[in-house]
Amino acid sequence: GQNIDQPTEMTATEGAIVQINCTYQTSGFNGLFWYQQHAGEAPTFLSYNVLDGLEEKGRFSSFLSRSKGYSYLLLKELQMKDSASYLCAVPYSGGYNKLIFGAGTRLAVHP
Amino acid sequence: DTAVSQTPKYLVTQMGNDKSIKCEQNLGHDTMYWYKQDSKKFLKIMFSYNNKELIINETVPNRFSPKSPDKAHLNLHINSLELGDSAVYFCASSQGTVNQPQHFGDGTRLSIL
Repeated sequence: GQNIDQPTEMTATEGAIVQINCTYQTSGFNGLFWYQQHAGEAPTFLSYNVLDGLEEKGRFSSFLSRSKGYSYLLLKELQMKDSASYLCAVPYSGGYNKLIFGAGTRLAVHP
Repeated sequence: DTAVSQTPKYLVTQMGNDKSIKCEQNLGHDTMYWYKQDSKKFLKIMFSYNNKELIINETVPNRFSPKSPDKAHLNLHINSLELGDSAVYFCASSQGTVNQPQHFGDGTRLSIL
């Protein structure tokens, strides 16, 4: 089976750095996605990691360790607009781009 | 604008009714999906079509019937609505079926009275 764990909620201060962790268990690994979802809006794609290491995209970076079944999303220079849910997702090992989502981490950024 | 668009955005109806949600994408993608996001915010796949063919059919009551008239459209019809069907339904699309980012519509908020 497949299982994804993320913290339910996090809070951080504007301008700071926050790391959102995700651990997963899957029978066959095909990469890991991060999505951002603002309240009442659609999830939007942030990153996809399939190899170990850190991938940087502006203020957001995503890290993957396949041997540890672990990923994190790093958000730098936090802005109020970064307050949102961050969803970790892995493709189902059976294929067809079927994504299994974690419950999401609700991030609240305070002034 | 290039996007995944769903209609209606809000749907309020009574138990027992039948309703449809429409989805269209103009991204040129060949794969489309329906997801359900419940009150606990869990996003779960329901169905997926690739080039009009059903490729994912999760354990969903057969009151839910998807239809894909062409690869740019995927509609969802729900018969005999129940209270537990209240949720946000998201349509999404991707190019291909191998580890491709999915692009989501804005969601349809279904409330059953």
